[in-house]
Amino acid sequence: KAGVTQTPRYLIKTRGQQVTLSCSPISGHRSVSWYQQTPGQGLQFLFEYFSETQRNKGNFPGRFSGRQFSNSRSEMNVSTLELGDSALYLCASSLGGQGYTDTQYFGPGTRLTVL
Amino acid sequence: GQQVMQIPQYQHVQEGEDFTTYCNSSTTLSNIQWYKQRPGGHPVFLIQLVKSGEVKKQKRLTFQFGEAKKNSSLHITATQTTDVGTYFCAGSNTGNQFYFGTGTSLTVIP
Repeated sequence: KAGVTQTPRYLIKTRGQQVTLSCSPISGHRSVSWYQQTPGQGLQFLFEYFSETQRNKGNFPGRFSGRQFSNSRSEMNVSTLELGDSALYLCASSLGGQGYTDTQYFGPGTRLTVL
Repeated sequence: GQQVMQIPQYQHVQEGEDFTTYCNSSTTLSNIQWYKQRPGGHPVFLIQLVKSGEVKKQKRLTFQFGEAKKNSSLHITATQTTDVGTYFCAGSNTGNQFYFGTGTSLTVIP
């Protein structure tokens, strides 16, 4: 099976712009979670989508949003970019059934730099 | 909100020495997972613990879940240069949302 893929791998944006990141999960996985990784804050949970619905949400401002499509692919959008949004954005897919605790498989990440 | 703390933040060891990282949660967890991230890479799942007091071994790695299900540890015996990376614990009490620890960065000096 192909692994989790994320596009693009690298992005450079300026403050105030918006950005959309994409994640394709492992075939058959219905849950996609997004994380922000920075040297100072570690891995922070953004949100999780399952069957096109946001099931869990972390403590990030409304500038961070996401969605999931019927084929389980997910996108994350950040509007009005700030310098502090520079980070590695990781998505992770899992089977994700209700009440199911399963392994998350991470993609390679998108490295976002905000200038 | 739920917090998962991990110590130490950094650890340098001579090759062949042992290494331990500790994970502590502010709340009781239903399960805990451990991941390893190599430099420049992404987190890779190592193991999951779900039972109180559970101990699991993978070759030189020993994972333990505390009796109160609020803490966990990862111990590596006789480290090798291939063990280099950052080790993260991730705790959950819902099954679908994981709170990652801050990670322990391991450097192994040959």
